[in-house]
Amino acid sequence: NAGVTQTPKFQVLKTGQSMTLQCAQDMNHNSMYWYRQDPGMGLRLIYYSASEGTTDKGEVPNGYNVSRLNKREFSLRLESAAPSQTSVYFCASSEPGQPQHFGDGTRLSIL
Amino acid sequence: DQQVKQNSPSLSVQEGRISILNCDYTNSMFDYFLWYKKYPAEGPTFLISISSIKDKNEDGRFTVFLNKSAKHLSLHIVPSQPGDSAVYFCAASVARGAQKLVFGQGTRLTINP
Repeated sequence: NAGVTQTPKFQVLKTGQSMTLQCAQDMNHNSMYWYRQDPGMGLRLIYYSASEGTTDKGEVPNGYNVSRLNKREFSLRLESAAPSQTSVYFCASSEPGQPQHFGDGTRLSIL
Repeated sequence: DQQVKQNSPSLSVQEGRISILNCDYTNSMFDYFLWYKKYPAEGPTFLISISSIKDKNEDGRFTVFLNKSAKHLSLHIVPSQPGDSAVYFCAASVARGAQKLVFGQGTRLTINP
C-alpha cells in the first residue's frame, strides 16, 4: 500500500538547471497538490489539480509549472532553478472533503 | 501575512502528562481546521479535524478545541507518549471540500520519559 510516492528523494542542482519532480498516487484520488516547506515555515501550496485535466495556482506558484499527466500522476517542473527554490517539496492527494495524504518529500538543494 | 500561526516553535512534556498545542488564525472565512503530525524524513499525516459548527472533536487520546470568537484552536494529547514526539502542524481552509489548505509554522513536541 504505497499511497503517495515521490521521486527522487534527494536532488542537488546548479542554478539555471531544470528539473521535474514526480508524484504518483495509488488511492484513485481526484485531487493532487504540490507544497514546499522551508525552515521555520509551514507548508505552502504551489499548485494543485482538483481533477484530471485541471490545474490551478496556489500561494507560491512563481518559477514552477505543473502537469497532471493522468489521474495518478502530477509532476512539478522547475524550468530554471534558483537558490530560493531550495526546499523540501511535498506532494499530496485527496478526495473532496477528505484529508490530504502526503508523500515523504523531495529534498532539493540548488547551488 | 501569516494567516495561521503557531507561536510556540517547541514544547517539551513529560510522558503521561497532557500536551497542549496552540494555533491562532486571522482569516474569519476559515471554516475547517486540521492537525497533522510529521516525523523526520516523512510526510505529514492527518491526525484530527474540526468543523466550525463544532467546538470540540475527540479521537482517542487526541482532542481538538475550537474557539471561533478568539480565532484559536488547540490540540490536547492525553496521556502523552514517547511516540507522540513529532512536529505538529495546524491547517485551515474556507470549507471542508476546499482545495487550499493554509498551514501554520509547526510546533516540535518532545515527550520526555
